[in-house]
Amino acid sequence: AQRVTQPEKLLSVFKGAPVELKCNYSYSGSPELFWYVQYSRQRLQLLLRHISRESIKGFTADLNKGETSFHLKKPFAQEEDSAMYYCALASGTYKYIFGTGTRLKVLA
Amino acid sequence: GAGVSQSPRYKVAKRGQDVALRCDPISGHVSLFWYQQALGQGPEFLTYFQNEAQLDKSGLPSDRFFAERPEGSVSTLKIQRTQQEDSAVYLCASSSRRDGYTFGSGTRLTVV
Repeated sequence: AQRVTQPEKLLSVFKGAPVELKCNYSYSGSPELFWYVQYSRQRLQLLLRHISRESIKGFTADLNKGETSFHLKKPFAQEEDSAMYYCALASGTYKYIFGTGTRLKVLA
Repeated sequence: GAGVSQSPRYKVAKRGQDVALRCDPISGHVSLFWYQQALGQGPEFLTYFQNEAQLDKSGLPSDRFFAERPEGSVSTLKIQRTQQEDSAVYLCASSSRRDGYTFGSGTRLTVV
C-alpha cells in the first residue's frame, strides 16, 4: 500500500538547535517526494521537492531509498520555522498522498 | 488571479443541508484538485480535473459528493445531505505541470 508516515505529531526544539522532521514512505515505484509547510493562518505551501535537491529557508531533505525516508533537516532552528509540516508522496502522475503532519515549535 | 481562491472560507451547515464550495484556480492552470483534510489529519485526495474533464474521482467518499468544472476554470464541490462526518477543511489546488500544487486557503465546513 502507498503510505506516508510522519511519526511525530509535535516536535519542540530550542532556537539554534538542529531540527529533523521524520518522514517514511511506502511506494512500489520510483518515488517523488515533497515537503509542504503551513504557517499559522496561512495556506499550505510547497517547501521543497526531492528532485530539486535545493535548500529552502535553510531546510534540506535527502531521499534515502534504502530506508524509504525523506527526513527534513535544518542545522539551526529559528522561531519563524514554527509551523505545521507535511510530507507528501506523488502517487502516479498527479495524486499526492500526505502524511498526518508534524507541528514544529521552536522555543526561544 | 494571483493565487487559488476558495469561497466561502467558513461554512456551517445543518445536517441534511446541501452545500457548494467554490474554487477559482490560478489563471491558465490546467489541473485542478480537491482534497479533504479532517482535523488532525493530512489532506486526502478527492478528485482531479484536467481542464473540464474529471479524470479521477476515486477519492470522493460517497455519491453525496459531486464536483464539476464546466468551463475548465472555476470548480465547484457539492455535498448533498451533509453529515457530521463531512466536517473538514476542503482544499483546492491547481497546477500547470508537475512542479507541486498551489493550494487555496480552504473552506472549513462544520456540519451541526
